[in-house]
Amino acid sequence: DVKVTQSSRYLVKRTGEKVFLECVQDMDHENMFWYRQDPGLGLRLIYFSYDVKMKEKGDIPEGYSVSREKKERFSLILESASTNQTSMYLCASSLLDSLNPASWGYTFGSGTRLTVV
Amino acid sequence: DQQVKQNSPSLSVQEGRISILNCDYTNSMFDYFLWYKKYPAEGPTFLISISSIKDKNEDGRFTVFLNKSAKHLSLHIVPSQPGDSAVYFCAACFSGTYKYIFGTGTRLKVLA
Repeated sequence: DVKVTQSSRYLVKRTGEKVFLECVQDMDHENMFWYRQDPGLGLRLIYFSYDVKMKEKGDIPEGYSVSREKKERFSLILESASTNQTSMYLCASSLLDSLNPASWGYTFGSGTRLTVV
Repeated sequence: DQQVKQNSPSLSVQEGRISILNCDYTNSMFDYFLWYKKYPAEGPTFLISISSIKDKNEDGRFTVFLNKSAKHLSLHIVPSQPGDSAVYFCAACFSGTYKYIFGTGTRLKVLA
């Protein structure tokens, strides 16, 4: 089974701090994604990456950056945490297989509940 | 601009009855759809998918129906069980993008 591991389940940070959320997957997936989940808003895409050192903005990238130095690891960085970034953050990975739509589904990590005070 | 919508934030169903969760989308170019289930404090887990070339896909108690002309997707759970109580998200993607757009979720509560 593919495993996507997020390093922290719960985090509490202060406003203005730089925050790193780490995600590691162990099945050699090319694609990795960061979403945030908020009540009434569903899952919104922050950033994604199709390959090492490659990144693309999602729907809500403001206030965030990402890093993908190795294929298995995708980090989300909050440059200066703010209270409106309090949320559940979900990392996901998937295969890059254009011939098989069934492989496009994501495997998610367990999430990191971040509270910014 | 919400391209994938789940208009019912919550749904309660008696154990043993059918649960029907609905999802509407606006872009007719979506060609693959998935349903995910999410328990509190856990990541979403894949439930069932359907390609735009089909109108039905079944997996055990779960069936997904796709009505392309209405741009409507539904998930049927029969019979519903208390362990099905969770938040359900539908998601859609365009071929070749590998990037899913999620709905806002429906919280299903199955009453024993």
